[in-house]
Amino acid sequence: NAGVTQTPKFQVLKTGQSMTLQCAQDMNHEYMSWYRQDPGMGLRLIHYSVGAGITDQGEVPNGYNVSRSTTEDFPLRLLSAAPSQTSVYFCASRSKRDSYSGNTIYFGEGSWLTVV
Amino acid sequence: GQNIDQPTEMTATEGAIVQINCTYQTSGFNGLFWYQQHAGEAPTFLSYNVLDGLEEKGRFSSFLSRSKGYSYLLLKELQMKDSASYLCAVKVANNNDMRFGAGTRLTVKP
Repeated sequence: NAGVTQTPKFQVLKTGQSMTLQCAQDMNHEYMSWYRQDPGMGLRLIHYSVGAGITDQGEVPNGYNVSRSTTEDFPLRLLSAAPSQTSVYFCASRSKRDSYSGNTIYFGEGSWLTVV
Repeated sequence: GQNIDQPTEMTATEGAIVQINCTYQTSGFNGLFWYQQHAGEAPTFLSYNVLDGLEEKGRFSSFLSRSKGYSYLLLKELQMKDSASYLCAVKVANNNDMRFGAGTRLTVKP
């Protein structure tokens, strides 16, 4: 019963490096999203996808790219890491069914990223 | 813009009742959620309100007033393990546009 799996859990990057945070879900959820969480600011939506081949920007998309080639996977790419991208990143998914259970978001365990 | 406000920190005593308030001003409304997040862990779902009124789930209840842009999470019979951050979130649109408050860090003391 894996749910939402994201890797790596911890990563240190140098300014200017690129990297990809991986996210996979095995619940056949249509909706997937990436959030970052910073102290005092709560979770902020970076990018989201409503289905394979469809992505859209959230609140804070600059410096990040996403793609959704399959229903299961939704990787987040940092093109040229900056210290301002030091944060905790959460991948999430949910069903598109408009029901009580369908509105429940399932989060991955988080990825702690430090850019030095 | 989207504004979701909740107190930064609260302290309560084991066995007591605590109410965590959340006010929101958003461009749309398709439901309000409460999540619990222990330090270093992912948020976990607690409750969902889309209609006005009180939803009760065991020791946890959540209330919504759409006309006032207001919700609260009520925790009864507090336990030490309830020490966590509680996040209020609004589903602004019927896609993935969820907006979160900054969270309320609750400390339960013996």
